[in-house]
Parts: sequence; C-alpha cells; structure tokens
Amino acid sequence: EVQLVESGGGLVKPGGSLRLSCVASGFTVSTYSFNWVRQAPGKGLEWVSSISSGSTYTFYTDSVRGRFTISRDNAKNSVYLQMNSLRAEDTAVYYCARDGYNSGYDDFDYWGQGTLVTVSS
Amino acid sequence: QSVLTQPPSVSGAPGQRVTISCTGSSSNIGAGNDVHWYQQFPGTAPKLLINGNSNRPSGVPDRFSGSKSGTSASLAITGLQAEDEADYYCQSYDSSLRVYVFGGGTTVTVL
Repeated sequence: EVQLVESGGGLVKPGGSLRLSCVASGFTVSTYSFNWVRQAPGKGLEWVSSISSGSTYTFYTDSVRGRFTISRDNAKNSVYLQMNSLRAEDTAVYYCARDGYNSGYDDFDYWGQGTLVTVSS
Repeated sequence: QSVLTQPPSVSGAPGQRVTISCTGSSSNIGAGNDVHWYQQFPGTAPKLLINGNSNRPSGVPDRFSGSKSGTSASLAITGLQAEDEADYYCQSYDSSLRVYVFGGGTTVTVL
C-alpha cells in the first residue's frame, strides 16, 4: 500500500524557518519524483515545488523560490521542504504528493495527509 | 486568481448528471497538456479522480468521466450520489509559466 506521511508543521513567527518531512513507503521511492502542494485555509490547491528521482532537477513556484529548498534522501525514503523567511501568506496545509510521471502522466497520483504550517506573530 | 477557471459551485439532485468545466488557455490546456481531476472531502487530502483527460484510475467509479477540447476540459458525474458531495479541482501544466496549475475548485452539492 502506497503511503506518504508528512510531519514538521507548526506555528512559526514571520521570518522564521521550518523543515517539513515526508516519509514514503509501499513502492520503490527512489524511482519517483515528488511534489509539495499547499492549501491555504479555505482556499484552493497550489503547487509549490518538485524534485526528480535522483535530485538532479528541482523546481519552485515563483513565490517561494529563494526561500524554500526541496531535497530528498532516498536511503531514508524521505523528501524534505526547508522553508526559510516564512511569511503570513505561507500559512497552509502542505501536502506531499507522488508524481505520476512513471505512469505517463504529469499528475499527482498519491497524497499524504498534510501538515499544517501557521505563520503568525 | 487561478490560472484554470472553474465554477465555484454546482448542484444536482440524486441520480442527475452534473458537469464541472475547467477553462484554461493556449499555454496550458490548449498547448496539449493533459488535464487531471481531484476529489477532496473536507479535512482530507485530495484524491486523484481522473488523469490524462479521461482516464479513471483503478477504483474510481465509472459514473465519473472526463473530457477535453481545445482550451477547456470537463468532469461529468452521472447518477449523482450523496457521497459525491465534495470539492473538485482540475490541474494541468502551464508551458509558459513552467509550473503545475490548478483550478480554483468547485463544490458539488447534492440537493
């Protein structure tokens, strides 16, 4: 069974940092790309960042580029999102999502349960 | 303001057919990029419902169907059931912005 479990969310002051983790299981994690997708309270979904299977390629939405860093450790079946210089507008539930590229689609075929990040003084 | 445009809400009686539109542009849907649909219940993670414009992943009931034409796509729910009350999001890739894009979401209400 495919499982993605996020952790690391919490309350942080503006300008602060957090590191989110996503542990994957139930498939060969090292052969898949991963994404972070966020959802602000009462709002829609927003893609944040992607990382390729071997970490060669990373991509970011404009609003987080230079502040967030995506990484992975295939030995630990884990994907991370280091978030620095956090702003109030980064407040959201952050989902880890598996990339559907291996199945031939540019979709997000499995999602974790999400972790809430709240940026407030 | 989402790159892909969806109606905020649609509703229908049990057993009826409802459709949700997803309108994009020549840089995303119209560029030949696939459209995918997700279903989300309150307080839970999104779930992939339709991928590749019209493909149903294993386990998705066949009352859900997707289509794409030009710069738009649609999700249809036939034989609407109370358990279909949820938010639905379309998603594609924008070749100009070089980002994955979502619609703003549509809430389906079963009357």
